[in-house]
Amino acid sequence: AQKVTQAQTEISVVEKEDVTLDCVYETRDTTYYLFWYKQPPSGELVFLIRRNSFDEQNEISGRYSWNFQKSTSSFNFTITASQVVDSAVYFCALSYDSSGSARQLTFGSGTQLTVLP
Amino acid sequence: GAVVSQHPSRVICKSGTSVKIECRSLDFQATTMFWYRQFPKQSLMLMATSNEGSKATYEQGVEKDKFLINHASLTLSTLTVTSAHPEDSSFYICSARDLRGGRDTQYFGPGTRLTVL
Repeated sequence: AQKVTQAQTEISVVEKEDVTLDCVYETRDTTYYLFWYKQPPSGELVFLIRRNSFDEQNEISGRYSWNFQKSTSSFNFTITASQVVDSAVYFCALSYDSSGSARQLTFGSGTQLTVLP
Repeated sequence: GAVVSQHPSRVICKSGTSVKIECRSLDFQATTMFWYRQFPKQSLMLMATSNEGSKATYEQGVEKDKFLINHASLTLSTLTVTSAHPEDSSFYICSARDLRGGRDTQYFGPGTRLTVL
């Protein structure tokens, strides 16, 4: 069974602080993909990053960085120098093969990030 | 890029009527699209997988006769909520699977907020 856990339901920080969103996953697949999506108040899910299970190299993109560790089944997301516009719900997701065809996504419960001015 | 549109963005209807929601991939072809439902402050729940040229695959507990899915072309999938009732009120989000360049990523539409009176 596939499972994604985002233990942090809500996080509140003051602008310019760094914040890390945790994601822990469970899967029996040897090949899988991990994702982070952002859902601002408008509702649309915005794709942030995709990581292949064979690629444990960490990634930095501007103020965003991701730490993938297979040993602990974690894929954490850090926002450096947070801004008010970063306020949103962030979802971690895991994709897996379903019946050998379409790769379905299993979502975590989401973390509501509020950045205060 | 990978752009997915969804129409309408918001719909209010009377109980007993049917509502059609369209999901389009604008700059890529998608043999697979997905339909999700999201209740307030909750995560996304997969309803069904829409496959171009074949029948949709529904998740357990989702009534296929109530939520009709048609994937008539490589860029369009439609979800029809038949005989809608107030309990069907929700935020419906579609995604399209982008396989270009081996990326295998789901890109999401902006969502449709359905209110059944």
